[in-house]
Amino acid sequence: DIQMTQSPSTLSASVGDRVTITCRASQSISIWLAWYQQKPGKAPKLLIYRASTLESGVPSRFSGSGSGTEFTLTISSLQPDDFATYYCQHYSSHSTFGPGTKVDI
Amino acid sequence: QVQLVQSGTEVRTPGASVMLSCKTSGYSFIKYYMHWLRQAPGQGLEWMGLVIPNGGGTEYAQKLQGRLTVTRDTSTGTVYMDLSSLRSEDTAVYYCARGQSVEAGPNSHFDYWGQGSLVTVSS
Repeated sequence: DIQMTQSPSTLSASVGDRVTITCRASQSISIWLAWYQQKPGKAPKLLIYRASTLESGVPSRFSGSGSGTEFTLTISSLQPDDFATYYCQHYSSHSTFGPGTKVDI
Repeated sequence: QVQLVQSGTEVRTPGASVMLSCKTSGYSFIKYYMHWLRQAPGQGLEWMGLVIPNGGGTEYAQKLQGRLTVTRDTSTGTVYMDLSSLRSEDTAVYYCARGQSVEAGPNSHFDYWGQGSLVTVSS
């Protein structure tokens, strides 16, 4: 099975900061990677798929990049609504999620 | 608009089974794969399995083979998840989620999610 790792596990930031989260796959997954945002008690929300395609309705401050085994999620200017946990997911064969990155103040 | 509405909270004893439902609306049910995922308390997300809506075929995570059954009712646009031989480690919030169109294949990101159903397994 393909394993996914994320770094950092926790990220302390302030409103207006540029934030970058890294996701690595144990083997190449091409561009079959998605990013989700999850808030406590809520279902995950799709932000980005195919590594860099922004889901409809998601603010443009979110962007994704990468291919193969290394990927990044960038929030260009952190907003109060962005404090949450972020997960990457590969879907090159079935699906595995990363352990998550909590973005807090 | 697309909606996935799940059944409510369940409490079971070890060894029992649980069935959850996920009623969809707002799109053509037979055109998209439907998946089940779960999240143990304080933990990450785990993909469990999927159903092909227009044929009923299924795929399951290897660790759940033999205990998990996913079915669908095309007349109501509802997907069901049945998990048997429950253990304490099955305590989790269970989510249904919509995958890609059947033309795109089963391996997928998930664009719409149910609200989650808490299953607690405790003696």
